[in-house]
Amino acid sequence: DAGVIQSPRHEVTEMGQEVTLRCKPISGHNSLFWYRQTMMRGLELLIYFNNNVPIDDSGMPEDRFSAKMPNASFSTLKIQPSEPRDSAVYFCASRRSPNQPQHFGDGTRLSIL
Amino acid sequence: DQQVKQNSPSLSVQEGRISILNCDYTNSMFDYFLWYKKYPAEGPTFLISISSIKDKNEDGRFTVFLNKSAKHLSLHIVPSQPGDSAVYFCAVKPGVIQGAQKLVFGQGTRLTINP
Repeated sequence: DAGVIQSPRHEVTEMGQEVTLRCKPISGHNSLFWYRQTMMRGLELLIYFNNNVPIDDSGMPEDRFSAKMPNASFSTLKIQPSEPRDSAVYFCASRRSPNQPQHFGDGTRLSIL
Repeated sequence: DQQVKQNSPSLSVQEGRISILNCDYTNSMFDYFLWYKKYPAEGPTFLISISSIKDKNEDGRFTVFLNKSAKHLSLHIVPSQPGDSAVYFCAVKPGVIQGAQKLVFGQGTRLTINP
């Protein structure tokens, strides 16, 4: 079984540029989560979707961040404009049902110069 | 305000001995608890879980203990093997009543198994 697939694995870009992170969840999973991991704050939830609908975006740091899930097999996390403090590892995870564990992708390491 | 705390950032254990990783939480309404393991440059991988109606769950070398009165969770690995060297995260899920299906993670403990 293919796991959660994230792209790109690494992204380096200049401050002010738009950044788009992509995620393909595991087929059949109906919940998708976006996390950010930093040294200071650890692993924190940004937003999650159930059946492609955003349920809780209270973790999104500010309006520069947006996430979409146009269909069950694809989601994007966009940062526009990006800032150096957005540098972190961004993880996507999916889950089949509330009583099942989340499965994580290998993350996107984002560096904003 | 950290709802989940792993107070030991690192732990070093001799191969073959028991590794004990600890986690404290603040909210008695949390109803489901998990441990994830993370290798460098990979995403966290689910290891073992326990619901609040139990106080122990075992899976091979891994056992999770839940002490609800102390709001304390621990993971025991025995015997420890070099491949267990990783960062371990505990995670908790608030109850459905709180309307949350999301997980709250601790800061992680880096476990090193010495040969």
